[in-house]
Amino acid sequence: KAGVTQTPRYLIKTRGQQVTLSCSPISGHRSVSWYQQTPGQGLQFLFEYFSETQRNKGNFPGRFSGRQFSNSRSEMNVSTLELGDSALYLCASSSTGGSGYEQYFGPGTRLTVT
Amino acid sequence: AQSVTQPDIHITVSEGASLELRCNYSYGATPYLFWYVQSPGQGLQLLLKYFSGDTLVQGIKGFEAEFKRSQSSFNLRKPSVHWSDAAEYFCAVGARTGNQFYFGTGTSLTVIP
Repeated sequence: KAGVTQTPRYLIKTRGQQVTLSCSPISGHRSVSWYQQTPGQGLQFLFEYFSETQRNKGNFPGRFSGRQFSNSRSEMNVSTLELGDSALYLCASSSTGGSGYEQYFGPGTRLTVT
Repeated sequence: AQSVTQPDIHITVSEGASLELRCNYSYGATPYLFWYVQSPGQGLQLLLKYFSGDTLVQGIKGFEAEFKRSQSSFNLRKPSVHWSDAAEYFCAVGARTGNQFYFGTGTSLTVIP
């Protein structure tokens, strides 16, 4: 089985712009979670989608949004980028959702905001 | 509030030496517990997980972890470290209902020859 893929791997944007990141889960996985990883804050949970519905949301401003498509692929969008949004954004998929199931992580998208 | 503490930001060990990485959590009930490893430029890979039962769990790459309810800890151990174990290690807790995980800030492991 192919692993979790994320595109693009690297991205450079300017403050005020918006960005869309994409995540393709492992085939058959219906749950997709997004995390922001920064040196100072570690991994912080953004949100989780299951069967096209957002089930959980972390403590991030409304500039961060996401969606999931019928094929379980997910996108996250960040509008009005700020310098502090520079981070590694990780996507993880699991088969049914629920913390009892292993999450498989993608390699991440490195976003740099200048 | 839920939180995960990894008190050691960075640890250096000699190859062949034993390793213990500490993890303490704060949670209202017994959560699911995980250890992940992240190599540079890579995503996270699950090393092991604890759901219930035997408090000593075995994982991949020769790692093990012990859940101690009284201490709210889930420390990761390896009896003999290999140079390839150099990476960032993350402890995480997950709620038993819902699908929300909380990660520690990580411990960076350096292995010296």
